[in-house]
Amino acid sequence: EAGVAQSPRYKIIEKRQSVAFWCNPISGHATLYWYQQILGQGPKLLIQFQNNGVVDDSQLPKDRFSAERLKGVDSTLKIQPAKLEDSAVYLCASSRWVSGKLGEQFFGPGTRLTVL
Amino acid sequence: AQSVTQLDSQVPVFEEAPVELRCNYSSSVSVYLFWYVQYPNQGLQLLLKYLSGSTLVESINGFEAEFNKSQTSFHLRKPSVHISDTAEYFCAVIKNTGGFKTIFGAGTRLFVKA
Repeated sequence: EAGVAQSPRYKIIEKRQSVAFWCNPISGHATLYWYQQILGQGPKLLIQFQNNGVVDDSQLPKDRFSAERLKGVDSTLKIQPAKLEDSAVYLCASSRWVSGKLGEQFFGPGTRLTVL
Repeated sequence: AQSVTQLDSQVPVFEEAPVELRCNYSSSVSVYLFWYVQYPNQGLQLLLKYLSGSTLVESINGFEAEFNKSQTSFHLRKPSVHISDTAEYFCAVIKNTGGFKTIFGAGTRLFVKA
């Protein structure tokens, strides 16, 4: 089966500009996650969707970050306006329920964002 | 609050030596536990997981981890490492209630030397 797709792979922008990332999860995976991984740190969950509903967005900086998954399939993450500290790799992952338990997360290749 | 601590940021080891990467977590509810590996220039991949049942879980490439509820630990071990095991290893915890939020540790870089 095809893996989690993300685009673009790399993005360089100046501070105060806007940027959007796209993710297409594995077919049939109802749960979709966006993570931020700053260099030298572990991934930090930004937002988690179950189908098209938000399950957790407690660590999403809502003044500048937004995410949507309107049809419960692919998703976009937007930053507007970007700050220098937003430089990171943005990872998308998806998972499905198996026998009543949440299955493993499959990760995309990530988008490396550099804010100058 | 839930947290995950990986006690070692870097672990250098010689080839064929044993290794243990430590992971401790804090949670007031039951959890699922995972180890993910990130090879150089590659994405995160699941290495092994504990959901329930036997507290000792194994991967296909010789790693194992044991869930110790009393010590709230999930240390990763391998009796003999290879050069190809050089990678970053992340411990992750999913709280088994509510929205099943995932928390990752900061990672441990395993560097295997010849």
